[in-house]
Amino acid sequence: NAGVIQTPRHKVTGKGQEATLWCEPISGHSAVFWYRQTIVQGLEFLTYFRNQAPIDDSGMPKERFSAQMPNQSHSTLKIQSTQPQDSAVYLCASSDWGPSYEQYFGPGTRLTVL
Amino acid sequence: GQQVQQSPTSLVLQEGENAELQCNFSTSLNSMQWFYQRPGGSLVSVFYNPSGTKQSGRLTSTTVIKERRSSLHISSSQITDSGTYLCAMGMSNYNVLYFGSGTKLTVEP
Repeated sequence: NAGVIQTPRHKVTGKGQEATLWCEPISGHSAVFWYRQTIVQGLEFLTYFRNQAPIDDSGMPKERFSAQMPNQSHSTLKIQSTQPQDSAVYLCASSDWGPSYEQYFGPGTRLTVL
Repeated sequence: GQQVQQSPTSLVLQEGENAELQCNFSTSLNSMQWFYQRPGGSLVSVFYNPSGTKQSGRLTSTTVIKERRSSLHISSSQITDSGTYLCAMGMSNYNVLYFGSGTKLTVEP
């Protein structure tokens, strides 16, 4: 079991460019979560999929952020027209379905917007 | 966020001393996890403990649902225990985690 895989580990973009982050959940896990970590805000929830269906995106900035899960083996987080305030570590986690199942986190993608 | 209060913010120990980290919740919870993170490092799950007491080596986690609190006890601390410990709770029917702000632990020789 390779754990949750995230690519790339580091990404640098210029202001206004697009960034796509990838996540491969643990095989067999039906729930996938995206979080964001910054020094100022700490760790905050962005969006959540269950069995590939979007369930809750209440934490997502509405205008430039989007997430998809086209198949059970990967999810993407896309940020259009990146801004310096988008700089953060973006974390993906997966778990079995249920209100009491442990979440396993990937190593994160550090996004730097210049 | 404000729903998860973690204390202390930072803690400095001499090697061999014990540590007690606290997490308090403003609402009822469905799940509870403690994580460990080194600077620039990944989130490593230390305990999944929605209720009761769990022990792993020198680490013990106790979650008391009625009192809306969870604690992480580290006995006989070692230099390698240094890092940030975060608690996270899941409140809703699905398992979205809400994180505390973390406790930065420094263990000195």
